[in-house]
Amino acid sequence: AQKITQTQPGMFVQEKEAVTLDCTYDTSDPSYGLFWYKQPSSGEMIFLIYQGSYDQQNATEGRYSLNFQKARKSANLVISASQLGDSAMYFCAMREGSATPLVFGKGTRLSVIA
Amino acid sequence: GAVVSQHPSWVICKSGTSVKIECRSLDFQATTMFWYRQFPKQSLMLMATSNEGSKATYEQGVEKDKFLINHASLTLSTLTVTSAHPEDSSFYICSAGGQYSQPQHFGDGTRLSIL
Repeated sequence: AQKITQTQPGMFVQEKEAVTLDCTYDTSDPSYGLFWYKQPSSGEMIFLIYQGSYDQQNATEGRYSLNFQKARKSANLVISASQLGDSAMYFCAMREGSATPLVFGKGTRLSVIA
Repeated sequence: GAVVSQHPSWVICKSGTSVKIECRSLDFQATTMFWYRQFPKQSLMLMATSNEGSKATYEQGVEKDKFLINHASLTLSTLTVTSAHPEDSSFYICSAGGQYSQPQHFGDGTRLSIL
């Protein structure tokens, strides 16, 4: 069974608009972490934001925020005021416990239009 | 700056060649490193967990004899693709660090093309 599901293969957003990238997850471990990474065409993985399973508040990092709905097992990434440089692949990932590998979703390709 | 360094960035070589990829943690010790593989337009798939001073743990379906992993020090893990063939062409990326809430740090990846 897939642990991380990203249902949007591709998304378009107008420059300066906000966009939400969806992510749902599946785990029975009470301790887990959810991560979002950005991968531009050059290939490097850029960490964006983290949400822990015990965190009460939604995580925010600059223009990025994570809409964490634990009961629904969703961890959507919200990018506000989109910029052309935001065009990239975005991966949602989960880690169960600590010092364990990340499990990635299939990714969403975001294209920002001028 | 980069906390995980991966070399080389690009490799193009003939079929049958063995290729070694290095992954170094620059300012921290990593008892565990992870190797991922990514085909075009696909996600990252975990290949193996590299453990310092012991054998690597491979994911199901990954050939241990094809993808040799050595983690001889706390800052270096190597992945050797032995007798590479065109189907081994892919993007290989390593990661290290990241316990609890800390993100894993990724190398910049290696694009391997086997002719």
